[in-house]
Amino acid sequence: AQTVTQSQPEMSVQEAETVTLSCTYDTSENNYYLFWYKQPPSRQMILVIRQEAYKQQNATENRFSVNFQKAAKSFSLKISDSQLGDTAMYFCAFMLGGGTSYGKLTFGQGTILTVHP
Amino acid sequence: DSGVTQTPKHLITATGQRVTLRCSPRSGDLSVYWYQQSLDQGLQFLIQYYNGEERAKGNILERFSAQQFPDLHSELNLSSLELGDSALYFCASSVLGTGLDTIYFGEGSWLTVV
Repeated sequence: AQTVTQSQPEMSVQEAETVTLSCTYDTSENNYYLFWYKQPPSRQMILVIRQEAYKQQNATENRFSVNFQKAAKSFSLKISDSQLGDTAMYFCAFMLGGGTSYGKLTFGQGTILTVHP
Repeated sequence: DSGVTQTPKHLITATGQRVTLRCSPRSGDLSVYWYQQSLDQGLQFLIQYYNGEERAKGNILERFSAQQFPDLHSELNLSSLELGDSALYFCASSVLGTGLDTIYFGEGSWLTVV
C-alpha cells in the first residue's frame, strides 16, 4: 500500500516571503502521479499543482513550484511571494498510474499554512 | 466553483438512521469519486465510479453504498449511522478517471451524527 507523509503539521510565513512544505511518499511502483491540494477555511479542495513521475522536470504553476526527488521519494511544494489568500491546509496526494487504482488519491495528513501580514 | 454540486451541504441526523448524499459531476465528466474527511482518519478514498460502473473501492464500510446513475449523478448511502461517521463527505469528478485527469472536488456535505 502507498503512504504519504507530511511531517510539518503547521507552518507560518510572512507575506511576500517564500515557504516550502515537505512531503514524502512510499511506493514500489514506477508509474504514479503526485499532487498538492489546497483546502482553505471554506473547506473546498483545490488542485494547486501536479507532477507525473515519468517527468524529470519539476512542475510549476505561477508562484507554486515543486521539488520532485524520485529516488528519495520526496515531493515538496514551494510557494513564492506568499499572499494572505494562501492561508489554508495543504495536502500532498499520490495516485498510482494504472489498473484499478486509477483515480484513487492517497492523501497525507496535511500542513496548515498561515500567511501573516 | 469547481462545477461539482453536492447536496445537502449540511445534515444532522441521529444514530441508527440512514442518509443519502447526492452528487452531480461536472458537465462531461464520466468518473465520480467519494471521499471522507474526518479528524480521526483524515482524507480517505471511499469509492470510484466510471460511466455507471464501480471502478475502484477504498476504505468504504459495508454500511455504506454508492451508485452512479445513467445521467452520471451519484449517490452515497450511509446506513445504521454511528457517531464516528460524522465527517465531511466529498464528491469529486474527472473526465476519464485516470491519472492524466484533473480531479475536481465539490464543496462537500457535512454530516453530523448525534
